[in-house]
Amino acid sequence: GDSVTQMEGPVTLSEEAFLTINCTYTATGYPSLFWYVQYPGEGLQLLLKATKADDKGSNKGFEATYRKETTSFHLEKGSVQVSDSAVYFCALGSANQAGTALIFGKGTTLSVSS
Amino acid sequence: DAGITQSPRHKVTETGTPVTLRCHQTENHRYMYWYRQDPGHGLRLIHYSYGVKDTDKGEVSDGYSVSRSKTEDFLLTLESATSSQTSVYFCATLAGGPTDTQYFGPGTRLTVL
Repeated sequence: GDSVTQMEGPVTLSEEAFLTINCTYTATGYPSLFWYVQYPGEGLQLLLKATKADDKGSNKGFEATYRKETTSFHLEKGSVQVSDSAVYFCALGSANQAGTALIFGKGTTLSVSS
Repeated sequence: DAGITQSPRHKVTETGTPVTLRCHQTENHRYMYWYRQDPGHGLRLIHYSYGVKDTDKGEVSDGYSVSRSKTEDFLLTLESATSSQTSVYFCATLAGGPTDTQYFGPGTRLTVL
């Protein structure tokens, strides 16, 4: 079945460092890909998404490009801030999934220090 | 923000007792979901609904039931709570298809002693 694999954390960075969180997927058909972020004590909120190959999603300085050839959707940010400390989830959405539910990776915890 | 509220936000209960969690949305979204979040597992789908009185099972449905009598409300019931159901439960909604954004509620932290 469909699945998402993302790098395990925690990832610990200093402020202004470059961030990459790797995400790869396995899916039949043409899924949509999402990055969600969860701040402490809160629910998940959409960070960015891409719905077809070669699309780039971007938001708040974060970017990810839908790479069909490598089945990847890596999250990047050029200069992280302390406020970016959170858990990041890569997710896949597909018409093949029951109820169009999302398939999530296990999450990557990012900790940014000043 | 899809105006999703969950109640209660925190609950402690004892093994063997029934528990009902409520999800309420204000956006008239068709799909509603219950996920559980556990360390090392990400989020896993428990049950979902694709309309009033239309529900189906997800990946980890054993020990849970759901009901949706109105578009805006989706209830999750633990028929007889067990310690393995200690988790954080999230409700989510979706307006349309797989390219659309799922919106999440703030979560309910359930502890089963």
